[in-house]
Amino acid sequence: DAGVTQTPRHEVAEKGQTIILKCEPVSGHNDLFWYRQTKIQGLELLSYFRSKSLMEDGGAFKDRFKAEMLNSSFSTLKIQPTEPKDSAVYLCASSLDANSDYTFGSGTRLLVI
Amino acid sequence: QQKVQQSPESLIVPEGGMASLNCTSSDRNVDYFWWYRQHSGKSPKMLMSIFSNGEKEEGRFTVHLNKASLHTSLHIRDSQPSDSALYLCAAAGTGGYKVVFGSGTRLLVSP
Repeated sequence: DAGVTQTPRHEVAEKGQTIILKCEPVSGHNDLFWYRQTKIQGLELLSYFRSKSLMEDGGAFKDRFKAEMLNSSFSTLKIQPTEPKDSAVYLCASSLDANSDYTFGSGTRLLVI
Repeated sequence: QQKVQQSPESLIVPEGGMASLNCTSSDRNVDYFWWYRQHSGKSPKMLMSIFSNGEKEEGRFTVHLNKASLHTSLHIRDSQPSDSALYLCAAAGTGGYKVVFGSGTRLLVSP
């Protein structure tokens, strides 16, 4: 199944650590998104790439969150330094273009202690 | 900035009943709507999309769209416990606007 692959599935980090989450989008998709999901805030957009170019970097998340798309088939999200409030599920999604539906990965559940 | 409002926040319906979920966009440039379903502990999966005024039916699921009011609704008839999930509405406009998600409606179908 050529869906969106995210690794790791779970991550536990101590406060202040640097963590890197990985995502492989669906082959041929041009748009890639990083979201953070919590019960209280819902889905929050962290970064948005179109054809590897950064289109949006999530405003309030700019200072400690950095997403990169090294090639069309691989993206990373670095959180540096981590804080307990970063504990959430991080979802990567890709789509063919701006008006197509999204395919989501299974997510990375992050716990910062 | 475009907002997508969903109501109600949560909904309980009995098994076999009808569930009705609502979604409205604040952006007049919106042309495309999607409904995603997210079961607990899983990632969202696209359920239905609607791009034209009117109604679209797939099995027990029916979606309505009124572009003039920027309102879409999802109706689930003969609701099953397996329909219990978070339902997310998403909207996008033409010209490369990115998709914006609502906060979701949490549906619980009680046996």
